[in-house]
Amino acid sequence: AQTVTQSQPEMSVQEAETVTLSCTYDTSESDYYLFWYKQPPSRQMILVIRQEAYKQQNATENRFSVNFQKAAKSFSLKISDSQLGDAAMYFCAYRRTSGAQKLVFGQGTRLTINP
Amino acid sequence: ETGVTQTPRHLVMGMTNKKSLKCEQHLGHNAMYWYKQSAKKPLELMFVYNFKEQTENNSVPSRFSPECPNSSHLFLHLHTLQPEDSALYLCASTPGLAGGRAGELFFGEGSRLTVL
Repeated sequence: AQTVTQSQPEMSVQEAETVTLSCTYDTSESDYYLFWYKQPPSRQMILVIRQEAYKQQNATENRFSVNFQKAAKSFSLKISDSQLGDAAMYFCAYRRTSGAQKLVFGQGTRLTINP
Repeated sequence: ETGVTQTPRHLVMGMTNKKSLKCEQHLGHNAMYWYKQSAKKPLELMFVYNFKEQTENNSVPSRFSPECPNSSHLFLHLHTLQPEDSALYLCASTPGLAGGRAGELFFGEGSRLTVL
């Protein structure tokens, strides 16, 4: 069974600085999707960034980028120029491209932005 | 706003009560999901519905009873719950089981349930 592990329950960063959130996963599949979701306090969980395993190029979305290391099964999220609005729970998630279509989530990392 | 609305946002119930959580999506999606979010634990998938048919029950106790009358609405009926069932219950949807834009789930804000 696939598993997703986020080893950092909490992280903090100074506003305008850069922070990296870690995620590792375990799978025997060769093709899959990886996601980072953001859950602000009392607000909806939204997709931050997505990576398709067959793509070697790391995904980027404005200030958010990933470091996808397929062989190491690592998928970290880098947030540049951190803003107060980035404070949230961040969840790493995995999904196979075929078969069962459910997302498998990590435990989450609570990110605090210090002004 | 993601187009997925959950009510109520907060619910407190006793162990002998019967209550229901409601989810409605305005995105024209065909697949809907219930997830349970407990503190310091990964999100747990509970149920999946596709075109009103249940396609997955992740070994959820029978005190949780889902209902999907149409592709836009999903309910979670609650009966004889335990205090350990207190959690945030999240509803999500996708265009189909294949997911939208390569698997993205669209979540509601959740219903915070407290069982006394």
